[in-house]
Amino acid sequence: DQQVKQNSPSLSVQEGRISILNCDYTNSMFDYFLWYKKYPAEGPTFLISISSIKDKNEDGRFTVFLNKSAKHLSLHIVPSQPGDSAVYFCAASGVQGAQKLVFGQGTRLTINP
Amino acid sequence: NAGVTQTPKFRILKIGQSMTLQCAQDMNHNYMYWYRQDPGMGLKLIYYSVGAGITDKGEVPNGYNVSRSTTEDFPLRLELAAPSQTSVYFCASSPGPMSYGYTFGSGTRLTVV
Repeated sequence: DQQVKQNSPSLSVQEGRISILNCDYTNSMFDYFLWYKKYPAEGPTFLISISSIKDKNEDGRFTVFLNKSAKHLSLHIVPSQPGDSAVYFCAASGVQGAQKLVFGQGTRLTINP
Repeated sequence: NAGVTQTPKFRILKIGQSMTLQCAQDMNHNYMYWYRQDPGMGLKLIYYSVGAGITDKGEVPNGYNVSRSTTEDFPLRLELAAPSQTSVYFCASSPGPMSYGYTFGSGTRLTVV
């Protein structure tokens, strides 16, 4: 019973182009969605979030889109840079309180020069 | 500004041994969490705490115990280690509002042999 799914284990993108990472969820009670970035041997770092009352949130090169009817969110990175190479996790909260996050499996993004 | 500090970074345990993973945060966050990450998987919640003296089980609590005697510290205890507990363990803290996300520690890589 995986409530948050990232169906692409890996993604390879040319430097300077757009990276699009996708995430699907099953529980309509989630009210907040977040993206985390993780480098090897480090903990995940918070990247960007979006409330369920919005459909878009931007922060510099990063934009998250939320499509509630499809239960789908995506992270756009424009332009992609070599330092963006990492594993990206989407996460959702709002079910059962206490700000608990449910994580997807992660997508490994590789930016090629 | 240490953030979330986890010790040790690496540990090898024999089956049946016990150990405590330490976690401390200096941001005065009320919420603290323990997650584990298995290879190719997302993070799964083990235990969480909403404040000193209050703890509760997450998705995968079996074989673990926690305590929260102070706001700063949230140790995770493994009793009778089993190979299935081989994983990377992450501690995290949060001020509450999901727009800020969690702050994660750098993780403890545990191998049970």
